[in-house]
Amino acid sequence: DTGVSQDPRHKITKRGQNVTFRCDPISEHNRLYWYRQTLGQGPEFLTYFQNEAQLEKSRLLSDRFSAERPKGSFSTLEIQRTEQGDSAMYLCASSPTGYNEQFFGPGTRLTVL
Amino acid sequence: QKEVEQNSGPLSVPEGAIASLNCTYSDRGSQSFFWYRQYSGKSPELIMFIYSNGDKEDGRFTAQLNKASQYVSLLIRDSQPSDSATYLCAVLLTNKLIFGTGTLLAVQP
Repeated sequence: DTGVSQDPRHKITKRGQNVTFRCDPISEHNRLYWYRQTLGQGPEFLTYFQNEAQLEKSRLLSDRFSAERPKGSFSTLEIQRTEQGDSAMYLCASSPTGYNEQFFGPGTRLTVL
Repeated sequence: QKEVEQNSGPLSVPEGAIASLNCTYSDRGSQSFFWYRQYSGKSPELIMFIYSNGDKEDGRFTAQLNKASQYVSLLIRDSQPSDSATYLCAVLLTNKLIFGTGTLLAVQP
């Protein structure tokens, strides 16, 4: 399977705990994106990487959220001190440089109790 | 005004009919437009993209773009029950996709 992969697929945590999600983009896709989707809504942009550089962050991304892509390959999204409002599907997408199409992974569904 | 607007539906069509899904956007500078299909509990799947005014066809799908009217549509011909899903319209703004809330399509056998 050469698509975008995400791990874990599901995460249940208690309020106040930290969680970390991983995304592996399609091979040789230089651009990587994180989105968040809640029920009944379209995905909302969180952040964007070109190789290892984080080029844009949404105002939705509070200081409890941090994302990295240290070697320009996989990326991690960490949420510290989770809140119930963080419960959502966290989606990763990738695209090759020069192309606008973004391809999504299966997502990580986070439930904060 | 939302940046990307879609009728939430549900849009119900009989099997074999044409389903027409519509989307409007607010940013006149937008150049790239996308349709994603999302089954319940799954992630969005890219099915069509269009960058120029006019029609673009791919199998049973046709995307239509009218930049003057700031309007994008998706036609699905010979609708099948397996087409039942939420269809998300997205517009590229700098490097990020701005999505509508999606239209739920139900194809009745």
